[in-house]
Amino acid sequence: EIVLTQSPGTLSLSPGERATLSCRASHSVSSSYLAWYQQKPGQAPRLLIYVASTRATGIPDRFSGSGSGTDFTLTISRLEPEDFAVYFCQQYGTSPYTFGQGTKLEIK
Amino acid sequence: QVQLVESGGGLVKPGGSLRLSCAASGFTFSDYYMSWFRQAPGKGLEWLSYISPRGDTIYYADSLKGRFTISRDNPKNSLYLQMNSLRTDDTAVYYCARGHLASYYWGQGALVTVSS
Repeated sequence: EIVLTQSPGTLSLSPGERATLSCRASHSVSSSYLAWYQQKPGQAPRLLIYVASTRATGIPDRFSGSGSGTDFTLTISRLEPEDFAVYFCQQYGTSPYTFGQGTKLEIK
Repeated sequence: QVQLVESGGGLVKPGGSLRLSCAASGFTFSDYYMSWFRQAPGKGLEWLSYISPRGDTIYYADSLKGRFTISRDNPKNSLYLQMNSLRTDDTAVYYCARGHLASYYWGQGALVTVSS
């Protein structure tokens, strides 16, 4: 099983700042099949990024993904108030598909 | 528009069974892989299973140890998750989602509570 470790656990930033979230895999993620999701309390996850760097439909361009192999990054270039949430990475290249434990992005 | 609506959640005693349903609309259900995920209270996401459009390819998370069964009824546009031998650590919100890779469409979730 591929274990995904996200860091930091909590990130405290202000609106307008840049956020950088990390996801490290215990083994190489096949075909860069790495996704990022945003989740707000009481809501289902929202797909942001797939195949490491492709934005999902309707996702603002302030969200970007990068990386390959075992190291991946989600960057939010300029935080908006609605961006404060929990973010999960997921690998879907090797079964069982696995998620990271999440990064909570909170308002400073 | 695409809609996925889970039902069948509730309170069940340890060792009991429950069947979740996911009603799909707004797309051609029989064309898509479908998946189940869950999220324990205050915890992260866990992938459980997926099923191919015709139901001939199925994968499960190892942690389910044969207790859960995914199925679908294409004429009824419905996905199911039969859960047996439920344990307290199966308590979670269960989500269905379209696709078996990165899922764009998710249901709102169904809460399953396993408690005596």
